[in-house]
Amino acid sequence: QSVLTQPPSASGTPGQRVTISCSGSTSNIGSNTVNWYQQLPGTAPKLLINSNNQRPSGVPDRFSGSKSGTSASLAISGLQSEDEADYYCAAWDDSLKGWVFGGGTKLTVL
Amino acid sequence: QLQLQESGPGLVKPSETLSLTCTVSGGSISSSSYYWGWIRQPPGKGLEWIGSINYSGNTYYTPSLKRRVTISVDTTKNQISLKLTSVTAADSAVYYCARQVMVRGFQVIDYWGQGALVTVSS
Repeated sequence: QSVLTQPPSASGTPGQRVTISCSGSTSNIGSNTVNWYQQLPGTAPKLLINSNNQRPSGVPDRFSGSKSGTSASLAISGLQSEDEADYYCAAWDDSLKGWVFGGGTKLTVL
Repeated sequence: QLQLQESGPGLVKPSETLSLTCTVSGGSISSSSYYWGWIRQPPGKGLEWIGSINYSGNTYYTPSLKRRVTISVDTTKNQISLKLTSVTAADSAVYYCARQVMVRGFQVIDYWGQGALVTVSS
């Protein structure tokens, strides 16, 4: 059971916009920033969004993040086949004094 | 270009100790700006943070593994190490080494190693 809650799956057709939610509590998302990771099959996670809504260099602007209270969202617009991957949210938890992750969302491009 | 490379045995027997090393290249592990950590992912499952350490040896661990985990740093070799004692099949996973940095006062895990698969089996 993950501390942060994500839907196990999401899907969309090429060109569509999809969103993935991440729900936490006051000790993690409510007190700290949220980071999102993309994990392509057979590879290590890659930082996609940091600090709620910042894109690291090289990440397309099709990816965006937002946070409100104890929840966060990742939005992918102009969906492409290469976006098919697992997506994880993560945040520091002040009570646990450590990192907590969502269970991951498997995105399928139909 | 920062690179993190995990290394160690891919097969460990039940009740024995899992030992992994992460070698950092393209950057110094001794910078006060970073923590370095271990995260694992059982096959087909999600990510679990294990613990982190900085250059001076300050550590923090996830409560569920704290009794069995030791993370250490060797600044002369630009390496961190992970030891997990009394392993069971539930400890079988891909183990990732990762870097943490503070961005505007908040933590970010920004770089990951490629991961090392460890299987616990007799």
